[in-house]
Amino acid sequence: QSVLTQPPSVSAAPGQKVTISCSGSSSNIGNKYVSWYQQLPGTAPKLLIYEDYKRPSGIPDRFSGSKSGTSATLGITGLQTGDEADYYCGTWDTSLLAGVFGGGTKLTVL
Amino acid sequence: QLQLQESGPGLVKPSETLSLTCTVSSGSISGTTYYWGWIRQPPGKGLEWIGIIFASGTTFYNPSLRSRVTISVHTSRKQFSLEVASVTAADTAVFYCVRGTHDVDNLDMWGQGTMVTVSS
Repeated sequence: QSVLTQPPSVSAAPGQKVTISCSGSSSNIGNKYVSWYQQLPGTAPKLLIYEDYKRPSGIPDRFSGSKSGTSATLGITGLQTGDEADYYCGTWDTSLLAGVFGGGTKLTVL
Repeated sequence: QLQLQESGPGLVKPSETLSLTCTVSSGSISGTTYYWGWIRQPPGKGLEWIGIIFASGTTFYNPSLRSRVTISVHTSRKQFSLEVASVTAADTAVFYCVRGTHDVDNLDMWGQGTMVTVSS
């Protein structure tokens, strides 16, 4: 069982918007920054969002992050078939003194 | 452009020790801004955080793996390494080396990953 909880899968049509949730606790999301990672099929994960909502250089503004309390959300607008991937949230847990990930969410663009 | 590259055996026998090395190209592995770590992903499953090390040698490990894992850093060679002792088939995974930023904990650089199979 993952420390952070994500839905196993989400789907939407091209051009639509989708959100992926990540639920944690006061020992992780509630007090630490959240990052999001995109893993395209057969490739290594890539940093998509950091410090809750910031985008690394090269990441389009179709991707957004937000956080409220002990939950975080990844939003993707203008869905493209190339966005089909697994998405993971991650953060630090102050009780475990270790990094933690969500179980991952598979995005299907129908 | 900084890159990370994992290296090590692709096949390890049960009960033996898995050893991997990550080489950092360009830039420095020293300093306090970044830390260096390992993530693994069993086939068809999600990411599992293994542990990290700072250039100072300070380490943090996944509590579920702490008894079997050792991460070391070799700053002069711009390398850091992972050892997992007493492996079983459950340790079969793609192993990624990563760079993280201290205090904000984003893993901004990833190696391409290396598959390690535990089998006799």
